[in-house]
Amino acid sequence: AQSVTQPDIHITVSEGASLELRCNYSYGATPYLFWYVQSPGQGLQLLLKYFSGDTLVQGIKGFEAEFKRSQSSFNLRKPSVHWSDAAEYFCAVGAGGAGNKLTFGGGTRVLVKP
Amino acid sequence: DTAVSQTPKYLVTQMGNDKSIKCEQNLGHDTMYWYKQDSKKFLKIMFSYNNKELIINETVPNRFSPKSPDKAHLNLHINSLELGDSAVYFCASSQVGVAQYFGPGTRLTVL
Repeated sequence: AQSVTQPDIHITVSEGASLELRCNYSYGATPYLFWYVQSPGQGLQLLLKYFSGDTLVQGIKGFEAEFKRSQSSFNLRKPSVHWSDAAEYFCAVGAGGAGNKLTFGGGTRVLVKP
Repeated sequence: DTAVSQTPKYLVTQMGNDKSIKCEQNLGHDTMYWYKQDSKKFLKIMFSYNNKELIINETVPNRFSPKSPDKAHLNLHINSLELGDSAVYFCASSQVGVAQYFGPGTRLTVL
């Protein structure tokens, strides 16, 4: 069965500082990997996805993530955080194919200090 | 343009009632989903429909019945609501093997 672990429940970062959110997955085959962001009271917005190819993927809002098969990780990074990046971030793994069931991690809440 | 829309946004009801949540997507996707997000923000898939056919049912109580009248709509009907059904319910859609796009969510509160 697939699973996703986000080890950090909360992260506080100063505005302008860099951000890295950790994600580890367990999946038997090549996974489809995703990062979503959820602002307070809002739905989930797709930040970026990895299906195959280049292991460094670029997303929206200046985010990027790197797939490392040897570490079963898909960490999300942003070089310089803005106050508007304060939100809950979810990593997810999917099997692809019909149905494409997504399994989500528990989320990491990011707080941005002025 | 709203890609995936849900109604209502908020739903407050008494235990034992029956309620429905509606979802529509205008992305032309073949597959639609319902997810439940609990009070600890944990997201779990409930159902998946592909071209109006049920393909995932994740051990959800049969009080929950999804219905897909066409591939652009996936509604969720809940019978005999219980306190534990309080959550945020998200609809999503995708093409096969492609990222899922989520609706804004419906916050259900059962009193």
